[in-house]
Amino acid sequence: SQQGEEDPQALSIQEGENATMNCSYKTSINNLQWYRQNSGRGLVHLILIRSNEREKHSGRLRVTLDTSKKSSSLLITASRAADTASYFCATGFYQTGANNLFFGTGTRLTVIP
Amino acid sequence: GAGVSQSPRYKVAKRGQDVALRCDPISGHVSLFWYQQALGQGPEFLTYFQNEAQLDKSGLPSDRFFAERPEGSVSTLKIQRTQQEDSAVYLCASSLSQGARGRGHEQYFGPGTRLTVT
Repeated sequence: SQQGEEDPQALSIQEGENATMNCSYKTSINNLQWYRQNSGRGLVHLILIRSNEREKHSGRLRVTLDTSKKSSSLLITASRAADTASYFCATGFYQTGANNLFFGTGTRLTVIP
Repeated sequence: GAGVSQSPRYKVAKRGQDVALRCDPISGHVSLFWYQQALGQGPEFLTYFQNEAQLDKSGLPSDRFFAERPEGSVSTLKIQRTQQEDSAVYLCASSLSQGARGRGHEQYFGPGTRLTVT
């Protein structure tokens, strides 16, 4: 079973608009990561936020984490056609010395030029 | 190499055949993970190695699935007597270290092997 769930499942916006995706999870975590997956390609790491952090920025990306609500959001500002992809949140927690990631079902983002 | 590589990229197997999927992680990466991704779903954890030790295999769906990393670098995921429900993309990922408690590290993913069982 998968740990997280993204919302919405699909999102279509015009180029230049902002895109917001949400992720909810079920159990206590050590960190939460966002990944992007283009059609036919592997997953690319975008950003990692730790459980003691509330907000993190990387370029046009802004991630928030609310551990009390067990939720996170990913904001992409000034979207581009190249941002079209599926976006996954993945939660990590310490288990047998590892940081296995548990992925959500993903949000499919389409940016229309 | 520059990134994680996997081979083959595509594999078609007849039901009942055995398959072996290879993963070459980034040089020097201690941790190696295998995930299974069904169509339209997120990846699901299968197993984890720290160097040559398989520390977690809780995600392997059945005893037909077996993974090894004998020298702590290249890893092979073997599926015996393949079934149609094994059809999926198998992703390999590596990371620099296992991460201290509460830390966590980003994982670098390979392009995956798409397995189709007919």
